[in-house]
Amino acid sequence: EVQLVESGGGLVQPGGSLRLSCAASGFTVSSNYMSWVRQAPGKGLEWVSVFYSGGSTYYADSVKGRFTISRDNSKNTLYLQMNSLRAEDTAVYYCARVGYYDYVWGSFNYWGQGTLVTVSS
Amino acid sequence: DIQMTQSPSTLSASVGDRVTITCRASQSISSWLAWYQQKPGKAPKLLIYKASSLESGVPSRFSGSGSGTEFTLTISSLQPDDFATYYCQQYNSDSSWTFGQGTKVEIK
Repeated sequence: EVQLVESGGGLVQPGGSLRLSCAASGFTVSSNYMSWVRQAPGKGLEWVSVFYSGGSTYYADSVKGRFTISRDNSKNTLYLQMNSLRAEDTAVYYCARVGYYDYVWGSFNYWGQGTLVTVSS
Repeated sequence: DIQMTQSPSTLSASVGDRVTITCRASQSISSWLAWYQQKPGKAPKLLIYKASSLESGVPSRFSGSGSGTEFTLTISSLQPDDFATYYCQQYNSDSSWTFGQGTKVEIK
């Protein structure tokens, strides 16, 4: 059974840092595209970052230069290092696996339960 | 960047109603569109991928159609479990994904 479990959220001051983790089971992280998606309180979904199976990484403009996505193959875990945090980064952060359908990586077919990050003084 | 616009933002409907939600892309995305359902406090759930393909385990009352810039999600007969917020998402752009702003389906 595929499972994604996020951890590492919490309260942090503006300008601070936080590292989120996403522990996967039931599949191999390094063989898949993996992504982070966030949702500010009462708002819609926003794609944040993706880690391709081949090692390439990409970011939304809103987090580029501040957030870093990485993975630990030995732990089958995806990470999101968040630096220079701002109030507008406050959100529930979801880890998601990108599905491979009809030879195309695209929709997100498995999601974690999310972890809340609150940036406030 | 490709923008996704959903309409309506809120929809009031009764059990048994046929419901249609529209998603419009700012440029052609071929059929690279997905639909998700999200309930309060829960993660989104994939319903439809590639515009019209039903994800495994999703009830057949859900269907998707469209290509290019205009897409629709239809629920043929609304059930009590279907009251939720629905999002479209494009995955046409290289290395970038975009969601619509969401459509909340409420009880009339």
